[in-house]
Amino acid sequence: AQSVAQPEDQVNVAEGNPLTVKCTYSVSGNPYLFWYVQYPNRGLQFLLKYITGDNLVKGSYGFEAEFNKSQTSFHLKKPSALVSDSALYFCAAPRLGRAGSYQLTFGKGTKLSVIP
Amino acid sequence: NAGVMQNPRHLVRRRGQEARLRCSPMKGHSHVYWYRQLPEEGLKFMVYLQKENIIDESGMPKERFSAEFPKEGPSILRIQQVVRGDSAAYFCASRQGSSSYNEQFFGPGTRLTVL
Repeated sequence: AQSVAQPEDQVNVAEGNPLTVKCTYSVSGNPYLFWYVQYPNRGLQFLLKYITGDNLVKGSYGFEAEFNKSQTSFHLKKPSALVSDSALYFCAAPRLGRAGSYQLTFGKGTKLSVIP
Repeated sequence: NAGVMQNPRHLVRRRGQEARLRCSPMKGHSHVYWYRQLPEEGLKFMVYLQKENIIDESGMPKERFSAEFPKEGPSILRIQQVVRGDSAAYFCASRQGSSSYNEQFFGPGTRLTVL
């Protein structure tokens, strides 16, 4: 079964420091992996995705993610955190459903707090 | 280019009433998904629709819940005889193609509160 896991419920980082939000996956075949961000009382915004190719994927708002096949990880990173990055972050992977459809299965989310 | 639209943003119902949630996908998108987010939890898939067809409703409770995506108009998620446990945020997402690597774009959600 396709699944992703986010081992940390919360990550605290000082403004200006690098940040990492962790995600591990259990996916058969070629993994497609996504990161989304959710600000309070808002919907999810797409940040970036890994399909194939370069292991370092660049996305929106200065975020990037590193795909590591040997460690089955897809950690989200940013070199210098901003207070405005404080939000809930979700890792996701498509899961095959009925009739050949694909839906997203999400990690439980990691709350990122950037401290001024 | 408007994104995914959902209304209402907030909905309050008393136990036993009906809740009707609407979703207009992004222009050009014919694939619609509904997800539910309970407090302090991630999103859980409910149903996947294309125009006039329910493709996968495996995540939706068989009782009281229904969904449609008519030829004209928005997708509707209907919850009949709501109970307190239905209180949650309901998100709609759309995407252009059916491939597993196409990202989904989410609406702002409808926050349902059942009194």
